[in-house]
Amino acid sequence: QVQLQQSGAELAKPGSSVKISCKASGYTFTSYYISWIKQTTGQGLEYIGYINTGSGGTNYNEKFKGKATLTVDKSSSTAFMQLSSLTPDDSAVYYCARVDYWGQGTLVTVSS
Amino acid sequence: DVVLTQTPPTLSATIGQSVSISCRSSQSLLHSNGNTYLHWLLQRPGQSPQLLIYLVSRLESGVPNRFSGSGSGTDFTLKISGVEAEDLGVYYCVQGTHAPYTFGAGTKLELK
Repeated sequence: QVQLQQSGAELAKPGSSVKISCKASGYTFTSYYISWIKQTTGQGLEYIGYINTGSGGTNYNEKFKGKATLTVDKSSSTAFMQLSSLTPDDSAVYYCARVDYWGQGTLVTVSS
Repeated sequence: DVVLTQTPPTLSATIGQSVSISCRSSQSLLHSNGNTYLHWLLQRPGQSPQLLIYLVSRLESGVPNRFSGSGSGTDFTLKISGVEAEDLGVYYCVQGTHAPYTFGAGTKLELK
């Protein structure tokens, strides 16, 4: 069955970076784009962007340009999202999604 | 960015009751290709969002047919015909017609 398995929770310091992974299984990885979504209690769900898993092409929400970098490793059917220059406002649950399937979410906590 | 306004923010229902959730868009969601990229998600407590309805009215595989979607342009509705206990959670509309994709703030369905 289709699964998107995300990496575990991250505790990071302000100014640092984290890289979250999303390993796909149960389908042809390059047949579907992977999107990334941020969820916070205050802001709800926010769309970060998507990556074309075949070409590696990306499309970002302007709000997250410079904050998020999306990449993909076709050999391992894994998508990645790196978040840089972290601030407490980046604390959230981050999801990868194939529209019809979502990962379990990765909690990122930014604290000194 | 397109703003999706969901009402009501909270919905109290008894088992078996029929309920509706409204999602109004600040812009028409009719794409130039003729599709309307308005979808509905359900996030149960402690879980990732799951796709219920896509392209306004198409039922995702495995979703009970007590769920239905309707609407066009800027006004959309999700109806649950006979609420069951497993339907409790937060419902979100999401649009994919205009970049960046955006989400409604959610409607929490509770038991009365």
